Amino acid sequence: GAVVSQHPSWVICKSGTSVKIECRSLDFQATTMFWYRQFPKQSLMLMATSNEGSKATYEQGVEKDKFLINHASLTLSTLTVTSAHPEDSSFYICSASSGGGAGDTQYFGPGTRLTVL
Amino acid sequence: GNSVTQMEGPVTLSEEAFLTINCTYTATGYPSLFWYVQYPGEGLQLLLKATKADDKGSNKGFEATYRKETTSFHLEKGSVQVSDSAVYFCALSDRGSYIPTFGRGTSLIVHP
Repeated sequence: GAVVSQHPSWVICKSGTSVKIECRSLDFQATTMFWYRQFPKQSLMLMATSNEGSKATYEQGVEKDKFLINHASLTLSTLTVTSAHPEDSSFYICSASSGGGAGDTQYFGPGTRLTVL
Repeated sequence: GNSVTQMEGPVTLSEEAFLTINCTYTATGYPSLFWYVQYPGEGLQLLLKATKADDKGSNKGFEATYRKETTSFHLEKGSVQVSDSAVYFCALSDRGSYIPTFGRGTSLIVHP
């Protein structure tokens, strides 16, 4: 149990276009979802925390108008990278928690590799 | 604030060697502690966890014991395999905060 999927697993886009990444909890209801960015050989950088039905909370330095997060249901959150540029190329990982987040296990998606040309 | 410190890698071992990856933490509350593993090109998978002092998490031959007195959660395995080659992340989740904290990750390379 506790499976989280991401779609797509990889995407290549042109500079200036927008890309949407989906994160789904397949067999549990995710009260809280997290979006991370990971650079090569580095740890995860938390971008934002989203709770179902409310606005996402962004970490300092993360542009909320560039990285749009929508948590429309208890099983789906989306991250849209708007007007993507080559510096947005990265590995984006989502995770989901069923118990509200605090002190609870996170279950991670397999990640989405974004390459902006 | 909360923080997690892991030993720097890469850790390079021969197959069947004993593994220890050190992890220490600071937290304001009473955190749950986790080890995640990331295989090349993939997301993170939960390896094991412990939710209170003296708990031992174990999975796939890996073990870690929640040591409150030394604020540590070291990962151990008695006999590593080539398939264990991956990056290992220590993490904590504090019941006083919804924000999880990860260590920088330790790369493990196991040679045949």
